[in-house]
Amino acid sequence: AQSVTQLGSHVSVSEGALVLLRCNYSSSVPPYLFWYVQYPNQGLQLLLKYTSAATLVKGINGFEAEFKKSETSFHLTKPSAHMSDAAEYFCAVSLTGTASKLTFGTGTRLQVTL
Amino acid sequence: DTGVSQDPRHKITKRGQNVTFRCDPISEHNRLYWYRQTLGQGPEFLTYFQNEAQLEKSRLLSDRFSAERPKGSFSTLEIQRTEQGDSAMYLCASSPQGPISNYGYTFGSGTRLTVV
Repeated sequence: AQSVTQLGSHVSVSEGALVLLRCNYSSSVPPYLFWYVQYPNQGLQLLLKYTSAATLVKGINGFEAEFKKSETSFHLTKPSAHMSDAAEYFCAVSLTGTASKLTFGTGTRLQVTL
Repeated sequence: DTGVSQDPRHKITKRGQNVTFRCDPISEHNRLYWYRQTLGQGPEFLTYFQNEAQLEKSRLLSDRFSAERPKGSFSTLEIQRTEQGDSAMYLCASSPQGPISNYGYTFGSGTRLTVV
């Protein structure tokens, strides 16, 4: 069965500091991996996705993630945090080629302080 | 097209009542998904449709839950005899046909259900 684990339910960074949100996956087959962001009382917005092409994936709002098979990781980073980045971030996995469900992690709430 | 639309945004109901939520996907998307998100958790898959066919259902979808997509366009999710444990955000998403790798999903803003 596929799953993702997000380490750290809350992360706090200063504005301008590096953002690092951790995600490790478990999958018996090569996975597709996604990062979504959720602002309060809103749905989820796709930040970026890994689909077995380049291992370093660039997304919206300056975020990027690197797929590391040896570490079964797909951590999300942003070089410089902005106040508007404060939100809940979810990592998700889907089995290669399937059209059905995404399996989400429990989320990491990012707080950005002045 | 304004994206995935869900109605209502909020619903408060008494325990034991029935509720129905509606989702209007992006018009050219033939896949539609329902997820449930409880406080502090990630979304959990409930069910998905391709056109009007319901192709997969989670074990989370008890007999009190039913979803339909009669004409392959909008979908409804009904919960009968609501329980306090049904309180959650119900999210709808849609995607075009094709590998999920090409598209991901587009989510709606959700319907927040509170059962009192």
